[in-house]
Amino acid sequence: AQSVTQPDIHITVSEGASLELRCNYSYGATPYLFWYVQSPGQGLQLLLKYFSGDTLVQGIKGFEAEFKRSQSSFNLRKPSVHWSDAAEYFCAVGAVGTYKYIFGTGTRLKVLA
Amino acid sequence: GAVVSQHPSRVICKSGTSVKIECRSLDFQATTMFWYRQFPKQSLMLMATSNEGSKATYEQGVEKDKFLINHASLTLSTLTVTSAHPEDSSFYICSARTPGQSSYEQYFGPGTRLTVT
Repeated sequence: AQSVTQPDIHITVSEGASLELRCNYSYGATPYLFWYVQSPGQGLQLLLKYFSGDTLVQGIKGFEAEFKRSQSSFNLRKPSVHWSDAAEYFCAVGAVGTYKYIFGTGTRLKVLA
Repeated sequence: GAVVSQHPSRVICKSGTSVKIECRSLDFQATTMFWYRQFPKQSLMLMATSNEGSKATYEQGVEKDKFLINHASLTLSTLTVTSAHPEDSSFYICSARTPGQSSYEQYFGPGTRLTVT
């Protein structure tokens, strides 16, 4: 079955520290992968996406993610977290053909001043 | 570009009444729109896929008679929650996909907070 797992429900980091949010997927073919961020009571903003090509993807707000086929992972990273990065982060897989998204359960990021 | 709006952003209705939520693609034509429901501190659950000019496809467990979806034009889809009950209170988010077989990116609206009293 197709699924997306975000193992960390909550992560707390200090401002300025590095960040890595994990995402593992189960999908039969080469997936289309996305990371979204959601602030409280808001919609989703796309941080970055992977369709093909270079496995290290750069996104907005200084985020990057690396697609590792052998590990079925698409982890999100940021070298130095800002207080404004506190939000909920969702990893998603785009299903080929149906165009549906399968979302992970999300990781809530808290940033300490 | 690729902006999706939702109206209203918040709505409070009484139990037993119906409420309509609009989802518009402002600067592109969306052949496909998706409706999601999100409970507090949870992920987005796909409710249905809406294709312009055809009936919506509902996910398993979603009551199609309760959540009526209409996609009458390439820029507008509506979700009507009929005979709403308190358990329908939730955050509803729509998204839209641009035309083309290779277009996998969805553009999300800001969401609508529904509270049923």
